[in-house]
Order: sequence, then structure tokens, then C-alpha cells
Amino acid sequence: GAGVSQSPSNKVTEKGKDVELRCDPISGHTALYWYRQRLGQGLEFLIYFQGNSAPDKSGLPSDRFSAERTGESVSTLTIQRTQQEDSAVYLCASSLVPAGGPETQYFGPGTRLLVL
Amino acid sequence: GDSVTQMEGPVTLSEEAFLTINCTYTATGYPSLFWYVQYPGEGLQLLLKATKADDKGSNKGFEATYRKETTSFHLEKGSVQVSDSAVYFCALRNTGGFKTIFGAGTRLFVKA
Repeated sequence: GAGVSQSPSNKVTEKGKDVELRCDPISGHTALYWYRQRLGQGLEFLIYFQGNSAPDKSGLPSDRFSAERTGESVSTLTIQRTQQEDSAVYLCASSLVPAGGPETQYFGPGTRLLVL
Repeated sequence: GDSVTQMEGPVTLSEEAFLTINCTYTATGYPSLFWYVQYPGEGLQLLLKATKADDKGSNKGFEATYRKETTSFHLEKGSVQVSDSAVYFCALRNTGGFKTIFGAGTRLFVKA
């Protein structure tokens, strides 16, 4: 497909377990973003990757959260020792123009995480 | 810091009614402004954008004008359709930056 894909679409886990969320950006998009959307709230920026530059991790809420991206391909967001407050929809977006101009971000459908 | 405030939903309208979803922002510098839409079961997608004061973004019958004097970017449509039912997000990004700040979203229901 031509769009951003994410997996799994839904994830239910127990408190304390680790989870890994995956994002496949649109081919050729140099920039990749992760956001978190809690119920009834706006999108909260988590992390930004641009090409081979060091990622901007300033939005990660705690050291339990980490993300990786190899080159301009797949990214994984890992949450260790999950807590109930981690329950949210995790959205990934990619874009062609990395910064500066008002480029369009293309969003994936999200992964809905529920921590019991 | 930068922020976006949009009207709370849900907004329920009958088909062919006029729609306004208010959005105001706080930002340093001269941000670009966006409206994103999320249809049921789909990912967010850009609806329209404006990059400078007095610009009007438009798409699919929706319009929003960048008003610097009132720091607003209200979304309007003259005649809504059932297919417009979705969640609408107002957002901004400051010049030279990459972080996009989103509002909380406004859910729109359009009844036939």
C-alpha cells in the first residue's frame, strides 16, 4: 500500500510487560514522527527521526519509552514495564520534507494500546 | 509554550447545515496552521493549511482563514454532508520547526 502502516492495530497487555509497536512509513519519506493520543485529548509529540540525524527524543515521557529507526525505513516504539497510564492510541506519521516548510505529514491508522 | 485550543465536541448538525469549528492558538513567531481530519477507522489526514496571515486554506468545501489579529483559524463549511462526520484537529507548527502542536479534536456528527 501507499500509506503509512502500523502494527499491531490493537494491543492489550498486562501492567509491567514490555510492548513493541511498529511503523512502516511511506517509501522515500525522510521524516518520521511518533505521537500519543490519550482518550479525549490531542496528539502529544513523542519523538522525531530525520534521515540519519540524531532523533529528537524531547517528547518521550519517561525512560521506559524508546524508539529506533534504521535509515529511512521501519521504526519501532518500545514501552518497557508498561503502566496503565500508557494506555492510548500511538500514531506514527511520515513526511517528505524534513523540517522548516509546512510539509504534509501522512498518518498511519494508529495502534490502540490498553494496559490492564 | 505554543498551544492550540479548539471548541469541545461533539458537534451535531443536520445535513446541509452551516459548520463552524473554532480554533485559536498561542505561538511565538509566525506559525503555519493546519486542519487535520480523522474519518472513522482511518488515520489523520491533512484537510487544509495556511502558512501566513490572511491566507485562506480550502479543500472539499471546507475553508479556514489565518487571522493573526485574533490568533484564530476557524474551520467553516457552508453545507455539511453525512460523509463529513469525523474528528477535526486544529494544529500549528512554528517556522523552522518540526514539532506540530495539535488541539484536542472536535468530533462532528452529521445527521441525514
